[in-house]
Amino acid sequence: KNQVEQSPQSLIILEGKNCTLQCNYTVSPFSNLRWYKQDTGRGPVSLTIMTFSENTKSNGRYTATLDADTKQSSLHITASQLSDSASYICVVSEAGTALIFGKGTTLSVSS
Amino acid sequence: DGGITQSPKYLFRKEGQNVTLSCEQNLNHDAMYWYRQDPGQGLRLIYYSQIVNDFQKGDIAEGYSVSREKKESFPLTVTSAQKNPTAFYLCASSIRTSFDLAGELFFGEGSRLTVL
Repeated sequence: KNQVEQSPQSLIILEGKNCTLQCNYTVSPFSNLRWYKQDTGRGPVSLTIMTFSENTKSNGRYTATLDADTKQSSLHITASQLSDSASYICVVSEAGTALIFGKGTTLSVSS
Repeated sequence: DGGITQSPKYLFRKEGQNVTLSCEQNLNHDAMYWYRQDPGQGLRLIYYSQIVNDFQKGDIAEGYSVSREKKESFPLTVTSAQKNPTAFYLCASSIRTSFDLAGELFFGEGSRLTVL
């Protein structure tokens, strides 16, 4: 069964610190992997999309990595800000067929 | 500004009533989608539409209905047959229906439905 597993489920960090969120998947055939940021009570917003051939992709302080061999991705947040407090969702595309959503990691950044 | 507008933001319904959630987009996207989000779960696809006057069931279509009479609009009706309708509903659109790279999803702000 195609699955997307995210860890940790939740995370609390101090403002200014870095953190890394993990995403493991079993989706096959693989097309692309996406990371979304969802503020509480709002719709998700796209951070990055990576295809099979891309290892790293950055969007400001957000850097996503992809290892298609081990079927793992990570989202690294640098110099966290209070506005980074949100749920981060990993989504994997089953080639041309469906999007498989992870349950998300809830990040809380405290001052 | 282009985007997706969902309304209402909050909706309360009595058991046995049908309710309709509105979704309008001005991005000129062909494809539109409805997702349901429950606490601690990933988004689940209810219905999607690739083109006007055509739509397909997603993973959890039972108890829901949709229409696509205009490219810009994709309303979702939650019927009384939906056993557990309390949830956060998200509408999305994409340029094309392929779930590959060309199909990046743009989401609305969501509608929270509560059944009393």
